Amino acid sequence: SQTIHQWPATLVQPVGSPLSLECTVEGTSNPNLYWYRQAAGRGLQLLFYSVGIGQISSEVPQNLSASRPQDRQFILSSKKLLLSDSGFYLCAWSLKRQGSTDTQYFGPGTRLTVL
Amino acid sequence: GQQLNQSPQSMFIQEGEDVSMNCTSSSIFNTWLWYKQDPGEGPVLLIALYKAGELTSNGRLTAQFGITRKDSFLNISASIPSDVGIYFCAGLYGGSNYKLTFGKGTLLTVNP
Repeated sequence: SQTIHQWPATLVQPVGSPLSLECTVEGTSNPNLYWYRQAAGRGLQLLFYSVGIGQISSEVPQNLSASRPQDRQFILSSKKLLLSDSGFYLCAWSLKRQGSTDTQYFGPGTRLTVL
Repeated sequence: GQQLNQSPQSMFIQEGEDVSMNCTSSSIFNTWLWYKQDPGEGPVLLIALYKAGELTSNGRLTAQFGITRKDSFLNISASIPSDVGIYFCAGLYGGSNYKLTFGKGTLLTVNP
């Protein structure tokens, strides 16, 4: 069976510091991978998605970036955090099915607080 | 971008009552998904729907993919305290490979 891991679970960082969040998937190969942010208002905002190693699509302009150095590893980064980067960051994966995706499965999330 | 209108935003019910929530859109969707999120955790998939008219159950949960492909509903029967959480609908519309559109969630509170 497939599992998805995220770490750290919680993180408190000062404004201006760098960020690196990691997501790994086990039990599948060549998945689509996604980064979402969930603010206190509950909605999920898609930040990045990746259909393969080194392939990253950005959904919203921001000071965050994503990388996929390995097939089942997805990393969310920032060089300098802003207060507005605080939130709950969720990684998700899906299978590829005839060139599209359907069901996404989420990781446990990382709670980021920028002070 | 595409939008999903999820309602109600919140519900307060008594244990044992049935619950219904829905999502609508002006666009046609190819897939409808329903998730539940507990506080501090990632959303967990409850039901996935892939065909118009499809009615699927998962225990006390039942969801349907609307015939027009522009809506879906989720019903919970005989609610219990552990049903508390935020329920999200999500849809994949025909013009967007890979990207789901999410509703804003329904916060369910169950009073024992």
